[in-house]
Amino acid sequence: EDQVTQSPEALRLQEGESSSLNCSYTVSGLRGLFWYRQDPGKGPEFLFTLYSAGEEKEKERLKATLTKKESFLHITAPKPEDSATYLCAVGFRYSGGGADGLTFGKGTHLIIQP
Amino acid sequence: DAGVTQSPTHLIKTRGQHVTLRCSPISGHKSVSWYQQVLGQGPQFIFQYYEKEERGRGNFPDRFSARQFPNYSSELNVNALLLGDSALYLCASSRRQGSQETQYFGPGTRLLVL
Repeated sequence: EDQVTQSPEALRLQEGESSSLNCSYTVSGLRGLFWYRQDPGKGPEFLFTLYSAGEEKEKERLKATLTKKESFLHITAPKPEDSATYLCAVGFRYSGGGADGLTFGKGTHLIIQP
Repeated sequence: DAGVTQSPTHLIKTRGQHVTLRCSPISGHKSVSWYQQVLGQGPQFIFQYYEKEERGRGNFPDRFSARQFPNYSSELNVNALLLGDSALYLCASSRRQGSQETQYFGPGTRLLVL
């Protein structure tokens, strides 16, 4: 069974204090490792997709990396507007109907204090 | 371009009732997926539809059903509502490009069952 574990569950940082969020996964046949940002009461907002170990992607203050067993979301010099829940998900495909679904972790609740 | 839209935004029902949630995908996207997110958890996969056919189903009871229309919009139906069905219901649309597919989420429908 596919599993996604995110750590820490919650993280409080000062503005400008860089850190990393972890996503470890066990999956048969990875079809992408996805990072989403979710603000309270809203739908997840797509950030990155990584497909192979060693791959890295950047967007503003965020950088995602992937190994064979885990992914990291690095946040450099964060600002209060980066406060949100960050969700990690692995893509899977149903062998029967061919659906592509996502298995999510519980997320990391990030608070950036001014 | 408009993103994924969902209606209604909020809904209150009582146990035993039936509910219908609606979703319009991003223009050009033929695949729609439904997820349930309870408070403090990541979204959980319910269904995926592609070209009006069900392509995959998560671990949800038969009380949950869905369909997709010729314009690729979709409805999620839940019968005999239980208190535990209270959650944020998310719709995601996607377009497969080769082996890669990214799901983009709508704002969700918040369902409260009393």
